[in-house]
Amino acid sequence: KAGVTQTPRYLIKTRGQQVTLSCSPISGHRSVSWYQQTPGQGLQFLFEYFSETQRNKGNFPGRFSGRQFSNSRSEMNVSTLELGDSALYLCASSVAGGPYEQYFGPGTRLTVT
Amino acid sequence: QKEVEQDPGPLSVPEGAIVSLNCTYSNSAFQYFMWYRQYSRKGPELLMYTYSSGNKEDGRFTAQVDKSSKYISLFIRDSQPSDSATYLCAMGTSYDKVIFGPGTSLSVIP
Repeated sequence: KAGVTQTPRYLIKTRGQQVTLSCSPISGHRSVSWYQQTPGQGLQFLFEYFSETQRNKGNFPGRFSGRQFSNSRSEMNVSTLELGDSALYLCASSVAGGPYEQYFGPGTRLTVT
Repeated sequence: QKEVEQDPGPLSVPEGAIVSLNCTYSNSAFQYFMWYRQYSRKGPELLMYTYSSGNKEDGRFTAQVDKSSKYISLFIRDSQPSDSATYLCAMGTSYDKVIFGPGTSLSVIP
């Protein structure tokens, strides 16, 4: 079974721009969660989508948004990029969501200059 | 106080040693406990998943949960250089998001 895939793998953007990241979950998984990972803050939860509905949300500003499509693929968008948004963005999929077994993709490394 | 605490290391051990990695937490509602391994420039990889208290063994890995002490551990027997990575504990309830520890960096020296 193919794992979680994320595109693009690397991205360089300028402050003020917006960016869209994509995540394709493992086949049969209906939940997708997004995380931001930085050296200082570690892995921080952004949001979780299950069957196209946002089920949980972390403590991030409204510039961070996401959506899930009927095939369970998910996108996250960050508008008005700031230097502090530079991070590894990871998505994880699971069958049912919540704290159950989550499988991570390789991440998208975003650099904001 | 952070919800999940983990010694960041780095932890350096000789090949073949038994490694003990630990996390403490403050939320007594946590029921599900996970350990992930993350190699440099890769996404975290699920190693162990346990529910409630007790031990779970998988090959060279043993996960231990003590809910009364709010303490979880991961033991690695016969450690190998390929075990060199960052180890993240994670935990959650059935209705809320997963919380990750900051990770412990482990180096196994040949």
